[in-house]
Amino acid sequence: EVLLVESGGGLVQPGGSLRLSCAASGFTFSRYWMHWVRQVSGKGLVWVSRINNDGSSTDSADSVKGRFAISRDNAKNTMYLQMNSLRAEDTAVYYCARSALDCSGGTCSSLNYYFDFWGQGALVTVSS
Amino acid sequence: QLVLTQSPSASASLGASVKLTCTLSSGHSSDAIAWHQQQPGKGPRYLMKLNTDGSHSKGDRIPDRFSGSSSGAERYLTISSLQSEDEADYYCQTWGTGIQVFGGGTTLTVL
Repeated sequence: EVLLVESGGGLVQPGGSLRLSCAASGFTFSRYWMHWVRQVSGKGLVWVSRINNDGSSTDSADSVKGRFAISRDNAKNTMYLQMNSLRAEDTAVYYCARSALDCSGGTCSSLNYYFDFWGQGALVTVSS
Repeated sequence: QLVLTQSPSASASLGASVKLTCTLSSGHSSDAIAWHQQQPGKGPRYLMKLNTDGSHSKGDRIPDRFSGSSSGAERYLTISSLQSEDEADYYCQTWGTGIQVFGGGTTLTVL
């Protein structure tokens, strides 16, 4: 069974830092691109950041560029989101999600694709 | 610009059917999307990937009551035999080179 479990959320002051973790199990973690998505209470889903399967390529939304850094440790089946210079508007539930493999060509490729599994979320609250 | 548009709310009676719509922006009418369900207080759950020709592939253990279809730039999620646990937010998602986009979500109320 595929499982994604986020941890590391909590209350932090503006300007502070926090590191989220996403522990993966039930699949070959190193084959898949992974993402972080956030959701402000009562609002919709917003993509935050993504990392390719071997960690050599990353990208982030403009709203977090220069402040958040995504990484992964395939030996530990874990993805991370290092959040620095946090602002009140970063307050949200943060979800990790897995990009599906594209198997349309006969062989399966990992890429920036739709999300086929999600975690349960970690709440980050930025407040003084 | 790649944008997905969803109606904010929908409602239907227990046991009835409902059809939710996700509209792709101009120039993207052939793109595939994915549908996700988010029940209150839970993380999202992948329902299906829906192609422009209406073919779709569902996630693990998604009931047959959930189906997808397409017409032009519109992508539909039909839920039949509505149950109380179908009351949730439904999001569509699409993707491109370096981007991931979500629709604003539709809140479904089961009456």
